[in-house]
Amino acid sequence: GAVVSQHPSWVICKSGTSVKIECRSLDFQATTMFWYRQFPKQSLMLMATSNEGSKATYEQGVEKDKFLINHASLTLSTLTVTSAHPEDSSFYICSATSRGTSGSTDTQYFGPGTRLTVL
Amino acid sequence: RKEVEQDPGPFNVPEGATVAFNCTYSNSASQSFFWYRQDCRKEPKLLMSVYSSGNEDGRFTAQLNRASQYISLLIRDSKLSDSATYLCVVNSDQAGTALIFGKGTTLSVSS
Repeated sequence: GAVVSQHPSWVICKSGTSVKIECRSLDFQATTMFWYRQFPKQSLMLMATSNEGSKATYEQGVEKDKFLINHASLTLSTLTVTSAHPEDSSFYICSATSRGTSGSTDTQYFGPGTRLTVL
Repeated sequence: RKEVEQDPGPFNVPEGATVAFNCTYSNSASQSFFWYRQDCRKEPKLLMSVYSSGNEDGRFTAQLNRASQYISLLIRDSKLSDSATYLCVVNSDQAGTALIFGKGTTLSVSS
């Protein structure tokens, strides 16, 4: 099946610093990538939808100036958490869609996630 | 009202037991339905799609009732390796790309 990678898999940083997370589709071209966040014992919450070459669409309540998303190519999307604070500590997961055949639902493949801890 | 609701559990069952999970969704326009499995501190992995006619994959059976906006997952002959959190997932709009996740139901299978 299709493979999506994320880097780094975990990161610990000081409050106020910025952290960049990369999401790559390794063996397919992803027309759309999604960024999710999951707090302990909570469901995955969609943060933003990212289409290659265009601005990301952010979900209500997600600050676009704080969570910068760049989708420069069909295989790479990045999420930068700017001026991170302890409340940003979470599990960040990306996913990428591989366009299905006509009439079928796009399949969504998940990266392994990045665990961010802000001290 | 939450978009996708699940009983969080945990469900603690012995090996060999049959266990059923239920899920309800609020958006009647939802088109696609899935069950994902998530292990501790890992990403979710697709377990199976759910079709209107119901579908089975080995020990797993999924059912969908559009009228009641209800989805179920049945696991027969539980294995230790089935211990995980099971996420009920629906799409959020007609295009079928953005997914809405339930909080998940935790299953613990013991020997």
